[in-house]
Amino acid sequence: EDKVVQSPLSLVVHEGDTVTLNCSYEVTNFRSLLWYKQEKKAPTFLFMLTSSGIEKKSGRLSSILDKKELSSILNITATQTGDSAIYLCAVAGSGRRALTFGSGTRLQVQP
Amino acid sequence: ETGVTQTPRHLVMGMTNKKSLKCEQHLGHNAMYWYKQSAKKPLELMFVYNFKEQTENNSVPSRFSPECPNSSHLFLHLHTLQPEDSALYLCASSQDVLDTQYFGPGTRLTVL
Repeated sequence: EDKVVQSPLSLVVHEGDTVTLNCSYEVTNFRSLLWYKQEKKAPTFLFMLTSSGIEKKSGRLSSILDKKELSSILNITATQTGDSAIYLCAVAGSGRRALTFGSGTRLQVQP
Repeated sequence: ETGVTQTPRHLVMGMTNKKSLKCEQHLGHNAMYWYKQSAKKPLELMFVYNFKEQTENNSVPSRFSPECPNSSHLFLHLHTLQPEDSALYLCASSQDVLDTQYFGPGTRLTVL
């Protein structure tokens, strides 16, 4: 059975801090790993990673995949209160026809 | 706006009621999904449709009945629900299964 584990489960930081969120996975025939940000309701797409070692960046957010370690990290630099959300990691493999989600990391950025 | 809309946004129903959730995508995608998100639990995949055909049903109780009349519309028919079915129900779509999924805003369901 495909499995996705995220850590930490919860994190509280102050504005301006840099955070690193972790995602590890066990999946049959890995295809891709996705990061989503969930605020009040539906998740919004952040990154899709398929190749190991290639960093994807969007503003203050960046993510990289390590296929050897079966993991990915999501970095957020110079955090702002608007970054407060649940960050979800999901993995697509051939063992399932759709994504397997982790339980998420709840990030709270304090002023 | 992700191109995926859901109605209603909020729904309160009794255990004997019958109601339906609607999802529509304007992205020309071929795959559509229903997810359930309960408090303090990971997103749970319920159903997957690919080209209007159901390809996955993750042991969902029969009181939840999906319908996909075409690639743009997906319904979730609800009947004789239980209070523990109260949750956020999310619809998503993707170009094909395993592609990036785009989520609708969800329907917050409360079963009394």
